[in-house]
This record gives sequence, structure tokens and C-alpha cells, in this order.
Amino acid sequence: EPEVTQTPSHQVTQMGQEVILRCVPISNHLYFYWYRQILGQKVEFLVSFYNNEISEKSEIFDDQFSVERPDGSNFTLKIRSTKLEDSAMYFCASRLTSGVLNEQFFGPGTRLTVL
Amino acid sequence: DAKTTQPNSMESNEEEPVHLPCNHSTISGTDYIHWYRQLPSQGPEYVIHGLTSNVNNRMASLAIAEDRKSSTLILHRATLRDAAVYYCILKGSGGSNYKLTFGKGTLLTVNP
Repeated sequence: EPEVTQTPSHQVTQMGQEVILRCVPISNHLYFYWYRQILGQKVEFLVSFYNNEISEKSEIFDDQFSVERPDGSNFTLKIRSTKLEDSAMYFCASRLTSGVLNEQFFGPGTRLTVL
Repeated sequence: DAKTTQPNSMESNEEEPVHLPCNHSTISGTDYIHWYRQLPSQGPEYVIHGLTSNVNNRMASLAIAEDRKSSTLILHRATLRDAAVYYCILKGSGGSNYKLTFGKGTLLTVNP
């Protein structure tokens, strides 16, 4: 069964460093998402991406964040200068097409720890 | 998106049915009711969705009240693997992004 994969599973970084979180969505999917979940809190939407551009972003997704689909298979989330409060689980998700009935498939997440 | 209300936690015994309620009194006529769950240390996963009629799939059943102001996710025989946080989410049919807005959900504990 096709699945969304994410690497690395755990990333430890120093405050102020740049990190890139990688995701490989399901191959024929067209819509891509990043969510994050701070420990013990709700899953929060960060950004959605379609047709090589951001279609929606939340207030959390400020200038320190960027997304890219560099090669038609990977989908990346970059945090330019990490802060302590960026420590969280980051989930990538993908969806086949538009339409409210299409489910989102989530990856297993990357745990980001900022020291 | 309209708001949903779910109990913080519920407990069940293995192999017994579980009924997880969700209230959504401000649901609009075009809102679909989606359920996702999050197993420990995993990403959320889709469970089921419906609009007006009750729905069944291999994972669960969804019972929707006639006035659509509440719904119930039914796990017919809970297993230990069903221990998770269950999220009830409303999605309108307008727009295309369909980002998911998660609440706190219901933490289901399954006792052996």
C-alpha cells in the first residue's frame, strides 16, 4: 500500500541553525501539506502546496519557513533559523485531488528538537 | 470551519463496542463529517467520513443524527490497536485546499 515517508525520523539542531525536513508524498498525489504538533498539543496546519505554489498558509508559517518540491517527488520544509519553540513533530501529508471527499494521507513525522 | 465538541477521554474493554460522540451544532448543510485518528507516536490517519446517511467501512461505522448536529463513530469490537486520539472534523465542500483543523479529540483507552 502506498504511503507517505519522511526523513529524518528525528532531527536535533542548535538554535539559529537551518533545518530541512524531507517528505516523499504518494506518487500520484497532487496536494501536499505540512502540519506540526508540539508535545501534548493539537496538530496544527502550517501550509498547503499545489501546482508548485503555496495555496494556503497559517500564521505560524512566517518568513522563517519555506517549502519546495525540488524534483517532482520530494516535498521539503525548511526552517531558516530555528528557535526553541520550533521543537515539535512535523507531519507531511498528501492528497490525491481536490474535492472534500479525498482523504489526506499522513507520514510518520519528523521529531525536531531545537537545543 | 464549524466547531466540534468531543469528550476528552473514553475508556473501553477489548472486544467490546465503542461509541465516540461528536457534537457539531453549527454544522452547515454542505459540511462533511470526517474522522481521523492518531495512534501513539504516529501521524493521523483517516477513518471515515459522511454527509447525511450512516456509513460503514472496514475500520468503523459513522452514525449521523437526523438533524446532523451530532454524530457517533462506532468501533464494533475494540482492539488494543484502536487505542488512539480520535478527531471529529468538519469540512465544507467549498474551496480546494481542505486543510484539516484538528481539535483536541478524544483519547480512547482500550483495556485488555
